[in-house]
Amino acid sequence: DSGVTQTPKHLITATGQRVTLRCSPRSGDLSVYWYQQSLDQGLQFLIQYYNGEERAKGNILERFSAQQFPDLHSELNLSSLELGDSALYFCASSVALGTGDNEQFFGPGTRLTVL
Amino acid sequence: GEDVEQSLFLSVREGDSSVINCTYTDSSSTYLYWYKQEPGAGLQLLTYIFSNMDMKQDQRLTVLLNKKDKHLSLRIADTQTGDSAIYFCAESRYNTDKLIFGTGTRLQVFP
Repeated sequence: DSGVTQTPKHLITATGQRVTLRCSPRSGDLSVYWYQQSLDQGLQFLIQYYNGEERAKGNILERFSAQQFPDLHSELNLSSLELGDSALYFCASSVALGTGDNEQFFGPGTRLTVL
Repeated sequence: GEDVEQSLFLSVREGDSSVINCTYTDSSSTYLYWYKQEPGAGLQLLTYIFSNMDMKQDQRLTVLLNKKDKHLSLRIADTQTGDSAIYFCAESRYNTDKLIFGTGTRLQVFP
């Protein structure tokens, strides 16, 4: 158990809908990352927050947005869903920033299926 | 580019050594990592190596880094059935925290 929790574990929805994925980082971790794992694209970095502020952006679609709240939990919002958004979405957390050996601990993921 | 490549499959007999290979393209990589993903589970960090090192050993795991060829490998000694999983290499680069993952290698261990 990494200490990172994600809810829900599974989500099935229809095209055009909007969903919110939630992540609680490990206690004390200030940095939260979102990654997407799909058959087509593999594991891709989406976005990073540090202590409530957006820190880095990767291959995140404009239909997707995220935020980190004062209690450090984070939410990833996916809107106007398409079939291709079906994937496993991971959240990871780390204590600080870019020290290199800044280990990222991964949650179990949310599996999103868009029908 | 950001390509990190791995072979897709590896099958080994229980008790043998496994070697999983990874090639990357960016010479500014600072740290290189190996993650393990078991079915239905998240990613577990196995080990990592700083880019100025050639080798790191951690119990049954040995990481070799050839920076000139941009080649990373993970050797698992005495491979067990519990080692069956998908293994990802990943890199981080100077001044960024994001991880760039390889395509993953599915390791199957048979008795």
